[in-house]
Amino acid sequence: GAGVSQTPSNKVTEKGKYVELRCDPISGHTALYWYRQSLGQGPEFLIYFQGTGAADDSGLPNDRFFAVRPEGSVSTLKIQRTERGDSAVYLCASSFGSSSGNTIYFGEGSWLTVV
Amino acid sequence: KQEVTQIPAALSVPEGENLVLNCSFTDSAIYNLQWFRQDPGKGLTSLLLIQSSQREQTSGRLNASLDKSSGRSTLYIAASQPGDSATYLCAVRRYSGAGSYQLTFGKGTKLSVIP
Repeated sequence: GAGVSQTPSNKVTEKGKYVELRCDPISGHTALYWYRQSLGQGPEFLIYFQGTGAADDSGLPNDRFFAVRPEGSVSTLKIQRTERGDSAVYLCASSFGSSSGNTIYFGEGSWLTVV
Repeated sequence: KQEVTQIPAALSVPEGENLVLNCSFTDSAIYNLQWFRQDPGKGLTSLLLIQSSQREQTSGRLNASLDKSSGRSTLYIAASQPGDSATYLCAVRRYSGAGSYQLTFGKGTKLSVIP
């Protein structure tokens, strides 16, 4: 696609429910990132994929968070037993390769509200 | 731990004025620095990417400089327009030590250009 696509754009869920957020990166981009942005803060790193494998998941806050990228393209971020503190914008980004010099492109984000 | 600070947190200027946004980072071991724009309720749009070996980058009315040794970057906007109103985020690219080149963001500067 022309840009990084994320669905849903908005999600309201009840505390304790399970949520899935989807990211479709720019075509041909092998590197994929998930970031989380709380109100008034800059985005914070969650997880990085190079191809199908999670090369760095050091930013995931706890074991309720999990992400997959089974075919090396679309990725899904999964949140179990959601808590009100999980409310944030979840941003997906991609780049052409994992080189440190590549520009990272972000999607519009999925706005999650846990009530 | 890398920390990125952006000053000021908010800035209001009359249309047509030239302005400078500041970004500082604590660890000079970075690969590059990227400036982003974020409109309300939207994702991040990449504006400029400066590699660690470069001193500045220009795109239209935007000019970004990088002084890696002192841990500083500036984003200069010439002849500001109301359409420039947005939050501007600075991010530095570093190796995480856990397998990825991550972006560490500042909290942003919220710019308002008054017609």
